[in-house]
Amino acid sequence: EVQLVESGGGLVQPGGSLRLSCAASGFTFSNHWMHWVRQPPGKGLMWISRMSSDGGSTAYADSVKGRFTISRDNAKNTLYLQMDSLTPEDTAVYYCGRTQGPFNLWGQGTLVTVSS
Amino acid sequence: DIVMTQSPDSLAVSLGERATISCKSSQSVLYSSSNKHNLAWYQQKPGQPPKLLIYWASSRESGVPDRFSGSGSGTDFTLTISNLQAEDVAVYYCQQYCNIPLTFGGGTKVEIK
Repeated sequence: EVQLVESGGGLVQPGGSLRLSCAASGFTFSNHWMHWVRQPPGKGLMWISRMSSDGGSTAYADSVKGRFTISRDNAKNTLYLQMDSLTPEDTAVYYCGRTQGPFNLWGQGTLVTVSS
Repeated sequence: DIVMTQSPDSLAVSLGERATISCKSSQSVLYSSSNKHNLAWYQQKPGQPPKLLIYWASSRESGVPDRFSGSGSGTDFTLTISNLQAEDVAVYYCQQYCNIPLTFGGGTKVEIK
């Protein structure tokens, strides 16, 4: 089955760190550009970061630049998001997504809550 | 950044009727090398991730019912749901994939009247 499964979310204190993982299966992961998108509770979708298929190119939204780091391990078919210096404004469901132009595959998401 | 503006924020439509959602981009999302508009529409139901409905502004994703259609060009785009069904109750988002940062519209909530 073609799927993406996120993990690593949870409750973290302001200023803390968390690493999210996105495990891919059912397709050739190393052929695809991958992204992270987040959705605060009850709000809309916001793109956060993307990485090229070979890991050589990355991009970030201004709101997370310098705090979040995207990476991937094509041998393990896994995408990562290292999140540092977290603030309450980072509270959201985090989705990983595969693109071929548009997002044609999404994970189910993992909830990150930043609160003291 | 390309700003995507959707309207209305919500709408209530009777079963079997038509729902029309507008999406305007702050600049063209036409990809010159393909002469296609890098504009997609997604459906999101509560507790679920978004689902791709339309890409290249008017191409329907495989498996999406033909009552969903996309149109438009330049900076003005429309998602039309003909013959609205109960299972179409959801929030709909447009998204441009022309430039980084990728940007989404604010969403339109579709309900049954």
